Amino acid sequence: GQQVMQIPQYQHVQEGEDFTTYCNSSTTLSNIQWYKQRPGGHPVFLIQLVKSGEVKKQKRLTFQFGEAKKNSSLHITATQTTDVGTYFCAGRANSGAGSYQLTFGKGTKLSVIP
Amino acid sequence: DTGVSQDPRHKITKRGQNVTFRCDPISEHNRLYWYRQTLGQGPEFLTYFQNEAQLEKSRLLSDRFSAERPKGSFSTLEIQRTEQGDSAMYLCASRANLNTEAFFGQGTRLTVV
Repeated sequence: GQQVMQIPQYQHVQEGEDFTTYCNSSTTLSNIQWYKQRPGGHPVFLIQLVKSGEVKKQKRLTFQFGEAKKNSSLHITATQTTDVGTYFCAGRANSGAGSYQLTFGKGTKLSVIP
Repeated sequence: DTGVSQDPRHKITKRGQNVTFRCDPISEHNRLYWYRQTLGQGPEFLTYFQNEAQLEKSRLLSDRFSAERPKGSFSTLEIQRTEQGDSAMYLCASRANLNTEAFFGQGTRLTVV
């Protein structure tokens, strides 16, 4: 079945440093979504990427979707303490079995040291 | 209706007992998912409904788990003969279509003792 892998699992950064998390799928994706989960909370949608090679920005966050639509990245510039949480990518297979599923990676837990 | 509601928020049960959780999705969303999340892990897909039809179910899902969405609105997830390994957060999510964002409920935290 479809697998979505994320690295790193944990990242500790000093406030003001940059942060990047990477996501790789075992299958070609129809689209990829990113979610943020604060400690004790539930996943909250950040953004969706659909097109091959797509890049989207939200303030200090930059999201990329690979040319082959199998990988993605999230980059945060100049982290702040409000960025603390776990970032998940989630993808839906392009076709076939599992194409209804939204499969999540294991997430990258970001800690920001003030 | 401002979001996805789940009930109860917490459930403690003895091993071997049956439990049932309820999810009320956003009213205009006809797609509904159940996920399970354990500490330090991502949400693990359990099952998917489109209206009242259960179109996909995880192959990892034990036959002790069953889900329904009888009228295409709310959904229930039942776990029979609970085991300690079932302890987790059970999340429900709904979305308008397969290409839009999923909205998650607050989850039901199950503890099997």
